[in-house]
Amino acid sequence: RKEVEQDPGPFNVPEGATVAFNCTYSNSASQSFFWYRQDCRKEPKLLMSVYSSGNEDGRFTAQLNRASQYISLLIRDSKLSDSATYLCAVNMDSNYQLIWGAGTKLIIKP
Amino acid sequence: NAGVTQTPKFQVLKTGQSMTLQCAQDMNHEYMSWYRQDPGMGLRLIHYSVGAGITDQGEVPNGYNVSRSTTEDFPLRLLSAAPSQTSVYFCASRPGTSSTDTQYFGPGTRLTVL
Repeated sequence: RKEVEQDPGPFNVPEGATVAFNCTYSNSASQSFFWYRQDCRKEPKLLMSVYSSGNEDGRFTAQLNRASQYISLLIRDSKLSDSATYLCAVNMDSNYQLIWGAGTKLIIKP
Repeated sequence: NAGVTQTPKFQVLKTGQSMTLQCAQDMNHEYMSWYRQDPGMGLRLIHYSVGAGITDQGEVPNGYNVSRSTTEDFPLRLLSAAPSQTSVYFCASRPGTSSTDTQYFGPGTRLTVL
């Protein structure tokens, strides 16, 4: 089993819809969680950090479920510009390296 | 601040050639790292450094060397390029090793080895 797993997609979603995808992690000692956005042929950029139960920033909500060992990303009122690949990264206090998922591709259609 | 910069943006090598990918950051970050990104595999850590003069291996270090003579620079050297090293390489930095530190990436180098 991979340490961090994501559904590769693509998720094809109409503009204005709500979309959610998950990221599962294998190590229950994981402490910090991150969602990064990566546009085609560009570098990843931080979207949201998740340290406790969750975090919200405008149309984006990230939630952490420690019991089931996954984090989720919810995008409301999706826009064409939300089309990208969303990477999940997990960090443990005992090991400061980030472990990365392979990403979920999101395509917003007009 | 320029953030994290990488050169070159694109490179084509022949098998057996060596080269150095450059990375620099102007944010006075202690922690720097190199990743490679291949389709369907996510970012894999090659080497990292927690400060000037300190480097260590990541998940996929074979075929690569690094050095960290200054806080700002963290070059990655390919010793003898192989087609399996065809990938996109990202340099990243973050303030330190705290689990809450945000990691910033350079724009990447697309490397093709023929």
